[in-house]
Amino acid sequence: AQTVTQSQPEMSVQEAETVTLSCTYDTSENNYYLFWYKQPPSRQMILVIRQEAYKQQNATENRFSVNFQKAAKSFSLKISDSQLGDTAMYFCAFMKLRGKLQFGAGTQVVVTP
Amino acid sequence: DAGVIQSPRHEVTEMGQEVTLRCKPISGHDYLFWYRQTMMRGLELLIYFNNNVPIDDSGMPEDRFSAKMPNASFSTLKIQPSEPRDSAVYFCASSYGLSNTEAFFGQGTRLTVV
Repeated sequence: AQTVTQSQPEMSVQEAETVTLSCTYDTSENNYYLFWYKQPPSRQMILVIRQEAYKQQNATENRFSVNFQKAAKSFSLKISDSQLGDTAMYFCAFMKLRGKLQFGAGTQVVVTP
Repeated sequence: DAGVIQSPRHEVTEMGQEVTLRCKPISGHDYLFWYRQTMMRGLELLIYFNNNVPIDDSGMPEDRFSAKMPNASFSTLKIQPSEPRDSAVYFCASSYGLSNTEAFFGQGTRLTVV
């Protein structure tokens, strides 16, 4: 069975600063996918970034980037130049090939002025 | 496309009543997922469909829960009879393909059973 662990229940960051969210997972699979989803107060789940395990290059989407360490089974998310609109719950998720999305418990990010 | 549409957005019902949650996936998507979100258990996958056929319902809590997808543009999740512990936010999501693809979520239905 796969498990996804997010050890930080809440993180606070000032506007324009950088924050890094940690995520570790446990799997015996070699090929799989990892995701970060954002859930703002509106409740909508929004995909932030996606990483394929077979790709060594870390995924980047504008101010969002990941540090994927396959051997360590670690998948952290870095939010650069934080904006007030980044305030949300962030979920790390794992999916094996043709499998189900499994979510971590989430990290609440609060961006302060 | 308007995205995944769920209705109602909020539902309050009395214990013992039947509750039906509805979902319209994005047109052309062949996978549909039902998730439940609670503080205690986080986000859990209840069931998913491929081309209207249920593929994995191992997450469905018990026989009181049932889900159907009569056609490619509509799915329901029914709880009968409802119990207070069913109170949660229920999400529907759809995707084209599986794994290497984005799942698009609806805005969820907040269910309160009193």
